[in-house]
Amino acid sequence: DTAVSQTPKYLVTQMGNDKSIKCEQNLGHDTMYWYKQDSKKFLKIMFSYNNKELIINETVPNRFSPKSPDKAHLNLHINSLELGDSAVYFCASSQARSGRYNYNEQFFGPGTRLTVL
Amino acid sequence: AQSVTQLDSHVSVSEGTPVLLRCNYSSSYSPSLFWYVQHPNKGLQLLLKYTSAATLVKGINGFEAEFKKSETSFHLTKPSAHMSDAAEYFCAWGGYNKLIFGAGTRLAVHP
Repeated sequence: DTAVSQTPKYLVTQMGNDKSIKCEQNLGHDTMYWYKQDSKKFLKIMFSYNNKELIINETVPNRFSPKSPDKAHLNLHINSLELGDSAVYFCASSQARSGRYNYNEQFFGPGTRLTVL
Repeated sequence: AQSVTQLDSHVSVSEGTPVLLRCNYSSSYSPSLFWYVQHPNKGLQLLLKYTSAATLVKGINGFEAEFKKSETSFHLTKPSAHMSDAAEYFCAWGGYNKLIFGAGTRLAVHP
């Protein structure tokens, strides 16, 4: 099936640990994103990559490090996890309409629920 | 700066009655606007989008939205609610490689 997939779906870990979330899209898109949804359901952009190049880093702590090995993958590594990192993390992808300025709809993965104890 | 305001955090309707979910935006230029739906423990699904073509946009599952530049609004409507419409709905502004979301509206549908 064509889609945006994320692994794992659930992640429970202790404070101070390091963890990674993987994202893959097979839609042929050139732009991928990470969003964070907090406990009040508020969604906020974290990172945006276009053709493997970081476009947006929305004042995210440097404990969060995205990596895009190719256009179809965007992984998120989190060091020294804190209680406040508990959230649902969504990966998304889209196709840029013109150059870097992307107005097209984004397709979302199912989310990864991260719980930090 | 761009922003999106969803005017109601909760909306409750009876099955078979109309749905209205309100969204206002603030943008210094013509926006792309979207409505997404999120069912419990699921990802976001695109309902419809406005990208400067027709101001009345039809989406999936009988939803539609009207872009009104003079009112900076993009309200979502459906003539007749179904139980399966119960979910969280997000209005979003799109541009510069990101979506800016409103805070969401939880729609409850009662029998």
